[in-house]
Amino acid sequence: AQSVAQPEDQVNVAEGNPLTVKCTYSVSGNPYLFWYVQYPNRGLQFLLKYITGDNLVKGSYGFEAEFNKSQTSFHLKKPSALVSDSALYFCAVRDPMDSSYKLIFGSGTRLLVRP
Amino acid sequence: GAGVSQSPSNKVTEKGKDVELRCDPISGHTALYWYRQSLGQGLEFLIYFQGNSAPDKSGLPSDRFSAERTGGSVSTLTIQRTQQEDSAVYLCASRLAGTVSYEQYFGPGTRLTVT
Repeated sequence: AQSVAQPEDQVNVAEGNPLTVKCTYSVSGNPYLFWYVQYPNRGLQFLLKYITGDNLVKGSYGFEAEFNKSQTSFHLKKPSALVSDSALYFCAVRDPMDSSYKLIFGSGTRLLVRP
Repeated sequence: GAGVSQSPSNKVTEKGKDVELRCDPISGHTALYWYRQSLGQGLEFLIYFQGNSAPDKSGLPSDRFSAERTGGSVSTLTIQRTQQEDSAVYLCASRLAGTVSYEQYFGPGTRLTVT
């Protein structure tokens, strides 16, 4: 069965430092991978996706993610964190064989950027 | 343009009552999804609508849950005889089917509290 794991409930980083939010997945075939961010009392906002092509994907707000097929990972990164990046981040996968395109989400990682 | 809207934003109901949650997708988006976000957990898929096709109901947790989509646009999620474990944020998302964009656009959610 398809699944997504976000091993860290929370990541703490100082403003200006690089950040990484980890995600690993399990899916048959080639996955479609996504990152979403959720600010308090708001819905999820799309950050970036990997479908095919270059393993390094760039997205909104300076975020990027690297697809690593051998490690089945899709970690989210940013070179220099901002306090405003503090939010809940979700990794998601879509099984390319699933015609509904529904997303399987990880449990989320709370990012806290301290000034 | 307008995003996905959901109403009400908050709903408090007594155990055993029925509730209806509404979703207005982005205009022109033929694919519509409902997800549930329980406290401390990720999002779980509930149901998927695509055009006039039969919905994918594989994620509905019990027969107390049902959903419909009228005219290919607005959708209503109904929970009958609510239970305390139904307390969660219910998120609706839509997608422009027939494109290679794949990403889903989420509404702000309805926070349901069953007392």
